Amino acid sequence: ETGVTQTPRHLVMGMTNKKSLKCEQHLGHNAMYWYKQSAKKPLELMFVYSLEERVENNSVPSRFSPECPNSSHLFLHLHTLQPEDSALYLCASSQDRGGYEQYFGPGTRLTVT
Amino acid sequence: LAKTTQPISMDSYEGQEVNITCSHNNIATNDYITWYQQFPSQGPRFIIQGYKTKVTNEVASLFIPADRKSSTLSLPRVSLSDTAVYYCLVGDLGGYNKLIFGAGTRLAVHP
Repeated sequence: ETGVTQTPRHLVMGMTNKKSLKCEQHLGHNAMYWYKQSAKKPLELMFVYSLEERVENNSVPSRFSPECPNSSHLFLHLHTLQPEDSALYLCASSQDRGGYEQYFGPGTRLTVT
Repeated sequence: LAKTTQPISMDSYEGQEVNITCSHNNIATNDYITWYQQFPSQGPRFIIQGYKTKVTNEVASLFIPADRKSSTLSLPRVSLSDTAVYYCLVGDLGGYNKLIFGAGTRLAVHP
């Protein structure tokens, strides 16, 4: 499998549930990103990992918890979410140094009920 | 990071050339200009990147004037499948990439 993959593609969860989103990149990149895209809003950068170290956290609520166990995998752990957290969550990767091209996964469509 | 301004939407017809202009008045010396394309419910896809003058690839051309305060993405002979949102981003290439997406330009191609 090539590129950036995300699972699940669709997720419906209640406000008291705990779930995790998974992202895997097969490109040999060493930087990975989580974005949130709500309806009719621009993409919002949530977290950036560079060489498995979190280097950016854009004031994201603590109910979103990222994890990067290695340079190929990125998780977003979700707990006690709110309905306004319903959105498309996108993962991306890039080379850590140089280059401005990010490769995005297909996203996980999350609905919080 | 330089702020960009693009038209909210554009309409075109199949076979026409489409030019989408982006303004970035406070672009810095080290900044590059990059365009992404996004289809509904998919992640953005890199289209083209440039620093100055003209860049062309198999998908599009990017025109950048000498003052670099604007850029124009040119899509030759668009088809229905080019209907998407197009984002213009400006930033340097050093370190990890912190992409700040604006609202983009929603292009609708009609038969």
